[in-house]
Amino acid sequence: EDKVVQSPLSLVVHEGDTVTLNCSYEVTNFRSLLWYKQEKKAPTFLFMLTSSGIEKKSGRLSSILDKKELFSILNITATQTGDSAIYLCAVEGGSEKLVFGKGTKLTVNP
Amino acid sequence: DAGVIQSPRHEVTEMGQEVTLRCKPISGHDYLFWYRQTMMRGLELLIYFNNNVPIDDSGMPEDRFSAKMPNASFSTLKIQPSEPRDSAVYFCASSSGGLLTDTQYFGPGTRLTVL
Repeated sequence: EDKVVQSPLSLVVHEGDTVTLNCSYEVTNFRSLLWYKQEKKAPTFLFMLTSSGIEKKSGRLSSILDKKELFSILNITATQTGDSAIYLCAVEGGSEKLVFGKGTKLTVNP
Repeated sequence: DAGVIQSPRHEVTEMGQEVTLRCKPISGHDYLFWYRQTMMRGLELLIYFNNNVPIDDSGMPEDRFSAKMPNASFSTLKIQPSEPRDSAVYFCASSSGGLLTDTQYFGPGTRLTVL
């Protein structure tokens, strides 16, 4: 059965800290890995990763995929209170099925 | 662009009642997805459509759940009869490129509470 595990489940940091969120997966016929940010509303897309070792970057957020070790990390540098959210990782495997992890709840305190 | 529209935003109903959730995808998008989010199970894909045709409904929990897409601008997710364990937030999303696209747009969700 396809599985996506995120860690940690919850994280509390101070503004300015750098955080690393982890996503490991077991899927058949891996196609892509996606990161979403969810605040008090629907998830919003952050990144899609398909190739190992290629970092994707958007402002203070960056992400990279390791297809050999079957994981991805999402980095946020110089965190701000507006980064507080649940970060979801999803993997598309065989039969075009999208499997989500349970998310990491990030709280950034001023 | 109004984005994906879902209704109702909140629904409280009693066990055994029929519940119908509605979704209007973004105009021009040919893929529509229904998700359910709970604390226990996280976000789960229930079913998705391409050009109004259901492609994969293996995520639908049981026969009490059904989904239809009678046309390109409207879809429903029906639960009959509803049970307390169906309480969750139900999201609808649409895209123009299927699951491989990096732009799956989510609606605001319907928070369902079954008493």
